[in-house]
Amino acid sequence: AQSVAQPEDQVNVAEGNPLTVKCTYSVSGNPYLFWYVQYPNRGLQFLLKYITGDNLVKGSYGFEAEFNKSQTSFHLKKPSALVSDSALYFCAVRDGGTYKYIFGTGTRLKVLA
Amino acid sequence: GAGVSQSPSNKVTEKGKDVELRCDPISGHTALYWYRQSLGQGLEFLIYFQGNSAPDKSGLPSDRFSAERTGGSVSTLTIQRTQQEDSAVYLCASSPLGTGELFFGEGSRLTVL
Repeated sequence: AQSVAQPEDQVNVAEGNPLTVKCTYSVSGNPYLFWYVQYPNRGLQFLLKYITGDNLVKGSYGFEAEFNKSQTSFHLKKPSALVSDSALYFCAVRDGGTYKYIFGTGTRLKVLA
Repeated sequence: GAGVSQSPSNKVTEKGKDVELRCDPISGHTALYWYRQSLGQGLEFLIYFQGNSAPDKSGLPSDRFSAERTGGSVSTLTIQRTQQEDSAVYLCASSPLGTGELFFGEGSRLTVL
């Protein structure tokens, strides 16, 4: 069965500092991995995905994520946080053999000015 | 732009009533998903439709929940005999086959009194 864990309910970081939002996953086949962001009272917006290829993937708004197969992780990163990055971030996994996406419980990112 | 459209955006109903939530996906997207987001919870998978294949209903929490997709386009999620625990935001997403990215609507917020 597929599963995703986001171990931190909330991450606080000072503006200008690097940020990391953690995600680990479990799938039986090849993983398709995703990050989405949700701003208040809005739907989810796609940030980036890993399907195959380079382990470091770059996405929208300066975000990137590193796929680590041995650690089954897909942490979201950004070199320099902005106050406007404050939002709810969701990691998701899809087993390559299905079309079913499983989401984590979300991590609230708070960037402090 | 022609994004995923959901209606109503807000619905307040009394316990025991039936409700219908509508999703109009992006034209040409073959896959359509329903998720439920409860306060403080992640996204709970409910059901997905892929082309003409039988839907994956494995996430529907009880037989009070059902969904259909007519003509491979518009979908309706129906909740019969609503309960207070059904209160949540119901999110719809669609996806073109192959890209992996989900496009979300802004959700229908259901409140059961």
